[in-house]
Order: sequence, then structure tokens, then C-alpha cells
Amino acid sequence: DGGITQSPKYLFRKEGQNVTLSCEQNLNHDAMYWYRQDPGQGLRLIYYSQIVNDFQKGDIAEGYSVSREKKESFPLTVTSAQKNPTAFYLCASSMNTEAFFGQGTRLTVV
Amino acid sequence: AQSVTQLDSQVPVFEEAPVELRCNYSSSVSVYLFWYVQYPNQGLQLLLKYLSGSTLVKGINGFEAEFNKSQTSFHLRKPSVHISDTAEYFCAVSDLRSNSGYALNFGKGTSLLVTP
Repeated sequence: DGGITQSPKYLFRKEGQNVTLSCEQNLNHDAMYWYRQDPGQGLRLIYYSQIVNDFQKGDIAEGYSVSREKKESFPLTVTSAQKNPTAFYLCASSMNTEAFFGQGTRLTVV
Repeated sequence: AQSVTQLDSQVPVFEEAPVELRCNYSSSVSVYLFWYVQYPNQGLQLLLKYLSGSTLVKGINGFEAEFNKSQTSFHLRKPSVHISDTAEYFCAVSDLRSNSGYALNFGKGTSLLVTP
């Protein structure tokens, strides 16, 4: 089935470590996005990419990095510079006017 | 810049009662509007969207929404809710920043709790 796969579902990170969240889509969508969700805050845009090898910062890009080497993949790295990384992270892709979301990765700093 | 305000953080309702979840947006240009639903620890699922045309939009699971340009609102309604409608609901507006495609600006969400 076509869709967006995020892995892992749960991730624990020690302070000071970088971690990478995976996002893969087989919908043949050009655009992909990363959002962060905190309780009572809605979703906030971290990074987005319209085409391969190009990406743009969203509203809360500090402490994060991304790459877009393949159309299907848009991994997100949470770096040690992100001071409060514990959150639920959602990846999405879009074609035309509808965005499709993955099932999310819950990142916890321990 | 576009922004979205969901006026109620929590809405408790009894099963089979009607419900309205309120959403207002601000934008100086035409926008696309969306409602998404999120069940615990899951991603978001599109309920319905307004792009143009008829201001009354019907979606999945019996939900509908009405676009009101003069009041800049896009309220979500359902005439009779079920226990299974208990979830978080997000209103979103298309982000028209340059080169963002269809990135979305989300409201903070409304938690709908349906009880017997």
C-alpha cells in the first residue's frame, strides 16, 4: 500500500547526542515536510522540501537538520543544539492540495 | 502570514448530540482550509478541505464544515457524534510563503471527548 513510513515509533536519546528520524514515502510526492507536535501547541513546521536536493527552514528549524538526497526519503536529525527535543515528530508529503501524514515518532530525552 | 485560532481547547459532548468545533483564520489572501483528526499516538487524517466553490464542505465520518469569508471562519460540525469520534481535531490553513508548496499552519487543536 502507498503511504508514509516513519521509524522508529519510539526513540530515546541521551542529552548531547544526535539522533536521526526516518521518513520514507512511496506516493511519488515531490514535497515533504517535518512538523513537531507538543501538547497544546498544535503542529509547527521544522523543515520542508519541494524537490530533491533542496530544502527550506520552517518556523522552528534551530537545532535540526535535514537532507533530501532521494525523492522518497526526508530524514530529520535532531542535534545536541536542540535544547528541548522531547516531542512527537510528524512527517508529511503532499501532491496538489492534500498532505498525507506518517504515524509519527515520539522522541524522549533521558 | 496566515494564522489559525481554534477557540476551544476541549469540547465535552454526550453521544448522539450535535457538536461544533470552531476555527477562525487570519489571512490577507485567499487560502485553502483543512480539518484533520488525530487519534492518540497516531498521525493526522484529513477530514475535509475547502479550496473554492461551495462554502459547505462535506467530509468523511459524517463531518461537514462551512467556509465563511466575511467572518474568516471554518467551523466543523457533526449532527450526531459517536464515542469513536473522541480525538484531537486540528484546523489548518495553507501556508503561502514562497516555495513552501502546501505547508500548513495549524491551530492548537481541539480535544473532543464523547461520553455515553
